[in-house]
Amino acid sequence: DAGITQSPRHKVTETGTPVTLRCHQTENHRYMYWYRQDPGHGLRLIHYSYGVKDTDKGEVSDGYSVSRSKTEDFLLTLESATSSQTSVYFCAAQGTIGGNTEAFFGQGTRLTVV
Amino acid sequence: GENVEQHPSTLSVQEGDSAVIKCTYSDSASNYFPWYKQELGKGPQLIIDIRSNVGEKKDQRIAVTLNKTAKHFSLHITETQPEDSAVYFCAAEPSTGGFKTIFGAGTRLFVKA
Repeated sequence: DAGITQSPRHKVTETGTPVTLRCHQTENHRYMYWYRQDPGHGLRLIHYSYGVKDTDKGEVSDGYSVSRSKTEDFLLTLESATSSQTSVYFCAAQGTIGGNTEAFFGQGTRLTVV
Repeated sequence: GENVEQHPSTLSVQEGDSAVIKCTYSDSASNYFPWYKQELGKGPQLIIDIRSNVGEKKDQRIAVTLNKTAKHFSLHITETQPEDSAVYFCAAEPSTGGFKTIFGAGTRLFVKA
């Protein structure tokens, strides 16, 4: 798993509350990503980072923000959670091994917004 | 931007049979095509990949083929085993820079013993 740790692994929160998910990597990969996984949609990119304090939007970024103050940590924040944000969230870090790029994923965070 | 379509969404095979999953992509400049396997309760894990300068790549029971002209690539699993049961994702790395991989919707493979 290349040292990708997500926390928490499970969370239930109420509509309108802020939520922060944390991703921590130990391999010093430059690129980090947050995806959400929903049935029928596969993995959809929320935000990604290409370095400390360098982030950009993915295809489903509305309602989410991210921060990367250190190489090893990438935080995803839902400013005001909605039921449509109930999903499984995956963090990934990507680096180059032997000339090939590979994305390493965390174990996922199951978020339920009630 | 890049768009990746994956078929079928569900595939059921008998143990020992072969399984084939197909994907198409839209960005002709994409040049890296990984395949990920996701077991229940875990994150996806890379199982094989192929670059655009190669037409086929094998690793034991799994192989991937790429047709750049038609913009499609396929995963082939031979002699399937129950432990191959999982969700498989194809992906393409677009030409927009960085490692912004675009994933297909996934195929749930069931291997019946």
